[in-house]
Order: sequence, then structure tokens, then C-alpha cells
Amino acid sequence: DVKVTQSSRYLVKRTGEKVFLECVQDMDHENMFWYRQDPGLGLRLIYFSYDVKMKEKGDIPEGYSVSREKKERFSLILESASTNQTSMYLCASTLGGAGNEQYFGPGTRLTVT
Amino acid sequence: AQSVTQPDIHITVSEGASLELRCNYSYGATPYLFWYVQSPGQGLQLLLKYFSGDTLVQGIKGFEAEFKRSQSSFNLRKPSVHWSDAAEYFCAVGAWSSNTGKLIFGQGTTLQVKP
Repeated sequence: DVKVTQSSRYLVKRTGEKVFLECVQDMDHENMFWYRQDPGLGLRLIYFSYDVKMKEKGDIPEGYSVSREKKERFSLILESASTNQTSMYLCASTLGGAGNEQYFGPGTRLTVT
Repeated sequence: AQSVTQPDIHITVSEGASLELRCNYSYGATPYLFWYVQSPGQGLQLLLKYFSGDTLVQGIKGFEAEFKRSQSSFNLRKPSVHWSDAAEYFCAVGAWSSNTGKLIFGQGTTLQVKP
């Protein structure tokens, strides 16, 4: 079974803090994704990576950065957390090429106070 | 540009009743399509997918979906809903031209099941 794990299920941070969300997959997938999920807005893509050290912006990259130093690990970084970044963050991975399903982690619910 | 619309934000059905969740997509060619389910506090789990061929696809947990090219729809159905089906459901579309596996997700439909 494909396994995608995220470092925390719940996280509470203060405004202005630097926040790291970690995601690890164990199936040697080329592509990894970070989404943000908010009620009524569905899943919105923040960033994705199609190879080690390669990344592309998604639909809402502002205020976020990412890092992929190893194939299995994809990190989302909030340089200076703000209250409007309070949300559920989902990580996913998939094999390279079109037509493959994405496998999701359990999510991290981040609250910025 | 690709897009996905799930017209119903919230649906309530009685246990044992039939269910249909709507999904409409916008894409210039034949897309590949997915339905995912998210139980409370969980990540997304794949229910079923359509790539080509038979337009009626079967998934897990007794769900099925029908691809209708003329209507640009991919509606999810279940003949008899169980209380455990209460969850949020997402439709997603992907492009054959993309090697990155990017998907566009709909806004989601929350299903409530009445006893």
C-alpha cells in the first residue's frame, strides 16, 4: 500500500513564526503536491514538485515556499505565518506521467493565532 | 482552461435511499476523471476513476459513476446509502497532456445521511 505521511495532524503557531510542514511518501513517486483545503473552496494547489529540487507554483503560492531535497520528502514552508493561513494542508504524491491517481496524506490542521 | 464544478455544496439523504452527486467539467479534450471521498479528519481516498473505454465505472464501497461526454458530466451514484457514507466527496479532472499528474478539484459536496 502507498503511504503518505505528514509530520503533524494538528499544529498551533503564532503570527510571524516560520512553520515547516513535512510530507513523506514511500512509493518512489516522482510527483508531490501541497494543497490547502478550506470550506466551500475545495482543494487549491499551492506548489508541486516533479523531481528532486524541481518545483512549480500552483494556484495560490503567495506566502509559501517548498523544498524537495530527497525524492521521498516534500516540505511546505510558511516563512512568516499569518492568521489567513489557518487551514487544512494536504500532501499528495503520484507516479510520473498522466492518468495516475494521487495518494493523499491525512492532512495537517494548522491554526495561526 | 480546465475546471470542475460540483453544483451541490451540501446534500442530505435518508439511509437506504439512492444517491447521485453531480460533477461537471470543462476541458478541451477527453479528460481523465476521479471521484475521491474524505471522511471526517482524514485525507482523501480514491473511490473510482475514468480514463477511457466503458463510460460506466465501478468503484469501491458500492459506488459507480458515468462519464457523459455530451454533457461534460461525471456523476457519482450509489443505489442505497449507508450511514458510513457521510463524508465529503470531491470530483477531479486531469489532462492527458500533462506529465506532472496535476489534478483540478471541484469544491466538494458534503453528504449527510439521516437515520
